[in-house]
Amino acid sequence: QVQLVQSGAEVKKPGASVKVSCKASGYTFTSYYMHWVRQAPGQGLEWMGIINPSGGSTSYAQKFQGRVTMTRDTSTSTVYMELSSLRSEDTAVYYCARPNEYSSSSGGCDYWGQGTLVTVSS
Amino acid sequence: EIVMTQSPATLSVSPGERATLSCRASQSVSSNLAWYQQKPGQAPRLLIYGASTRATGIPARFSGSGSGTEFTLTISSLQSEDFAVYYCQQYNNWPPALTFGGGTKVEIK
Repeated sequence: QVQLVQSGAEVKKPGASVKVSCKASGYTFTSYYMHWVRQAPGQGLEWMGIINPSGGSTSYAQKFQGRVTMTRDTSTSTVYMELSSLRSEDTAVYYCARPNEYSSSSGGCDYWGQGTLVTVSS
Repeated sequence: EIVMTQSPATLSVSPGERATLSCRASQSVSSNLAWYQQKPGQAPRLLIYGASTRATGIPARFSGSGSGTEFTLTISSLQSEDFAVYYCQQYNNWPPALTFGGGTKVEIK
């Protein structure tokens, strides 16, 4: 069965960076893109970007350009999302989510990680 | 950037009644539209994709319709487990991007 397992909660100080991992299993890792989506406390869902695990190409939301880096390790079927220059407004639950269309960035996301809470506080 | 607007923000419905949720796109997204259900402390759950196709395991009481800029999610007879927040989401093919609506909270009347 498909599973996306994310790394544990993080507490960071303003200005620091955080790197969240998402380990995929139960399917061919390089056959499906991966999105990163975040949700601030009590707020809605916000798309951050997408990575193609096959070639490593990425596309980021304009809001996060210059601050976010998405990478992958095909040997461990893991994708990573690193966010730098953290501020209090980055406090949120971060999710990885897999679109349901094979080898495409399109489609609804049928599998989600359990979420990683990142808290930014001095 | 495509903006997704959901209405109403909150919908009060009695169990067994019908719920109709709306989602509007600022420009056409064709049928590249998904609906999600989210309960507190949980990740979103995919209900509908392609505007009208139910995801695996989703009960038939959930249905989606629309294309272009106007979309609707209908829950035909609300069950206790359906009280949650619902989000619509559009997905572009290129450049790849997702945009979510602000959500509709379906609460018990």
